[in-house]
Parts: sequence; C-alpha cells; structure tokens
Amino acid sequence: EAEVAQSPRYKITEKSQAVAFWCDPISGHATLYWYRQILGQGPELLVQFQDESVVDDSQLPKDRFSAERLKGVDSTLKIQPAELGDSAMYLCASSLDRVEEQYFGPGTRLTVT
Amino acid sequence: QQQVKQSPQSLIVQKGGIPIINCAYENTAFDYFPWYQQFPGKGPALLIAIRPDVSEKKEGRFTISFNKSAKQFSLHIMDSQPGDSATYFCAARGNTGFQKLVFGTGTRLLVSP
Repeated sequence: EAEVAQSPRYKITEKSQAVAFWCDPISGHATLYWYRQILGQGPELLVQFQDESVVDDSQLPKDRFSAERLKGVDSTLKIQPAELGDSAMYLCASSLDRVEEQYFGPGTRLTVT
Repeated sequence: QQQVKQSPQSLIVQKGGIPIINCAYENTAFDYFPWYQQFPGKGPALLIAIRPDVSEKKEGRFTISFNKSAKQFSLHIMDSQPGDSATYFCAARGNTGFQKLVFGTGTRLLVSP
C-alpha cells in the first residue's frame, strides 16, 4: 500500500537554529499539505500545494517558515530560526486533488530546546 | 465560524461498550465530514467520512450519524475493543470556496479489557 514518507521522524534542535523536514507524497497525488499538530490538539494547516504552486499559506508564519515543492513531487518545510514554541509534530499529507481524501505521513516530532 | 467543536475531550469505556464522540460546526458551506484515528507517534488515518446528503453511514463497527439541521455529527464505535484505544478527530471541509480541512480538538478513547 502506498504511503506518505517523511523524514526525519524525530528532530531535536536548539533555539535559533535552522531545521528542515522532507515529505514524499503518494505517487500521483497532486495536492500536498503541511500541518502542525501541537500536543493535545488537532492538526492545523500550514501550507497547501497544488502541484508546485502554493494555494494556501495563510497560517504559515512567513517570517521564519518556508515551504517548497519545486518539481511538484516531494516537498521541504524549513524553519529558520527555530523558536521554543515551534515544538510540535509536523505532518505531511497528500491527496489526488484538493477535494479528495487526505493521507497522512507518520510525522516529524520537533523539539526545540 | 470555521471551527469544529468536539466533545468529550476523553472517554473511557469497557470492552464491548459503544463510545460516542460528538462534533458540531457552524459553517453551512461544509459538505465533507471525515473522522480520523490517530495512535501515539503516528499520523492520523482516515476512518470513515460522510457527506450531508445522508443521515448515517456505517463501515464495519464504525458509524457516523449526521444531523444537518442541528449542524452536528457523531461517531459511534460498536463492540469497542482495546485496540480501538486511540485519539479520534472529527473534521470538516467545504467543496468550493473554503476547502481547508478543519479539525476538532480530538477525543482520547481508552477501551479497558
């Protein structure tokens, strides 16, 4: 069964350092999503791509977060500089298109010290 | 108006019991209501979903009841098992315009043996 791949699974970084997460969606899925899930809460959308284009980044803190999906396949989410409040699970999901079911990857657990 | 309110926050039932998790929404443009199951350290997995043209949907031991006039929907787990112990999230999304998937705050379910 096809799955969304994410790496690393766990990341510990110091405040003010840069950190990057990688996501490889299910093959053929045009829509890719990055979510942030704070412990005890539901996932919150950070950015949504349709192929290589950003269609929604309204909740992305653009002063420190950036995301790209250059060839419309895999994607990278970057935080620079990291802050203590960025500690969370970062989830990637993909779907055939924006109104189809979303499939989530296992997530990257980020701890900022 | 874009929120989905979920209750209870946590739930304990005995094996064989029928836990019920409730969600309410305000945005009448929502037309897709999925439920996700999440185990510790894993990403959410789609469990079952419903659209507002039906009042109930069953898949195995999982049933969604939908009340369009009250803008409420609920998840019922029949004959619950210890393996069902997880966090459950309801969500909602519009088909046009606001297509962002909005999640509830989650319900931690514990099924005791």
